[in-house]
Amino acid sequence: DAGVTQSPTHLIKTRGQHVTLRCSPISGHKSVSWYQQVLGQGPQFIFQYYEKEERGRGNFPDRFSARQFPNYSSELNVNALLLGDSALYLCASSLRGSGVYNSPLHFGNGTRLTVT
Amino acid sequence: DQQVKQNSPSLSVQEGRISILNCDYTNSMFDYFLWYKKYPAEGPTFLISISSIKDKNEDGRFTVFLNKSAKHLSLHIVPSQPGDSAVYFCAASVSGGSNYKLTFGKGTLLTVNP
Repeated sequence: DAGVTQSPTHLIKTRGQHVTLRCSPISGHKSVSWYQQVLGQGPQFIFQYYEKEERGRGNFPDRFSARQFPNYSSELNVNALLLGDSALYLCASSLRGSGVYNSPLHFGNGTRLTVT
Repeated sequence: DQQVKQNSPSLSVQEGRISILNCDYTNSMFDYFLWYKKYPAEGPTFLISISSIKDKNEDGRFTVFLNKSAKHLSLHIVPSQPGDSAVYFCAASVSGGSNYKLTFGKGTLLTVNP
């Protein structure tokens, strides 16, 4: 079975531009979450969607937005890119909409975004 | 305010010996704890988890211990193998809530020397 897949794997953008990152969850998983990992830090929660509805939002500016499609895939959009948005963006999927023992998050390999 | 702390940025052990990775948390609402392993250029891979109703969970070479009164958990790897060399993240969650949010520590780089 395919795991969580993310595209593209790498991306270079210029300050002020817009970026769209894509994620396909594990088959059967209805929850998709997005995390940002900067160098030397652990992943930080950005958004969670479950059954196409936003379930949670982390402490990120409104330049960050996301959505989930009927097939449970998801997009993360970032507008007006800043140098500080350079990071590894991770998508994760899970069976459940909330944390439940024995239902861990499964992560993709991420999209490495570099803003110059 | 870091709610999950991994105070050792790195750890080096010999192959065959025990690796012990530590994690502390401050939020008493956390009741579901997970360990992830991350290799370079890959996403975090789930290793093992524990619910706050337990104090120990084992899976093969990996054991996680939880001390709720001390708000401390540890991951033991016995015996350690060179392939275990990776960054290990501790993560915590409030189970059964309105969303599924993991709070991560900064990670510990484990190096297992042959």
